[in-house]
Amino acid sequence: GAVVSQHPSWVICKSGTSVKIECRSLDFQATTMFWYRQFPKQSLMLMATSNEGSKATYEQGVEKDKFLINHASLTLSTLTVTSAHPEDSSFYICSAKSSVSTDTQYFGPGTRLTVL
Amino acid sequence: AQSVTQLGSHVSVSEGALVLLRCNYSSSVPPYLFWYVQYPNQGLQLLLKYTSAATLVKGINGFEAEFKKSETSFHLTKPSAHMSDAAEYFCAVSNVDSSYKLIFGSGTRLLVRP
Repeated sequence: GAVVSQHPSWVICKSGTSVKIECRSLDFQATTMFWYRQFPKQSLMLMATSNEGSKATYEQGVEKDKFLINHASLTLSTLTVTSAHPEDSSFYICSAKSSVSTDTQYFGPGTRLTVL
Repeated sequence: AQSVTQLGSHVSVSEGALVLLRCNYSSSVPPYLFWYVQYPNQGLQLLLKYTSAATLVKGINGFEAEFKKSETSFHLTKPSAHMSDAAEYFCAVSNVDSSYKLIFGSGTRLLVRP
């Protein structure tokens, strides 16, 4: 149980284009999902918290117009990187917290974004 | 405010030897503590968690951790390392006041020598 998937697992795009990453909880309902960014050989940095049916809460320094988050259902959250630039290249990981086990986050496998 | 310190960015052990990965935390309220493992180019897998029940927590793959409030520590151990344990390990803290947002340590890469 508690499986989280992400799609795509990797994506390469041209500078200036937008990329959408999906995060799904496969066997539980996720009232809250989190989006993290991880640079090579570094720890995870929380970008934003999304609650189903409401606006995402962004961490300080994260541009909300750059990283659009939508949490339209209890099993799906999306992160759209708008007008991507090479500095947006990173490993993006989502996690989900169930309505039952509220103290634990379950992580997706991550999405490797490369912007040329 | 919460924080996590993982001592040692790299730990190298021989196969069959004891694994000890250190984690110290800071939290103004009772913490929830987690250890996650990350294999290359993958997400994080939960190894174990402490959420105010038993102070000695057993996890998957033979790992365990002990919550010591007096030392503000939550070190991860495994009696005998396997080659498959080579990975990056992250300690994390959260609490109810922060809506369970996770604060991660900087990570420790475990190397296992044959």
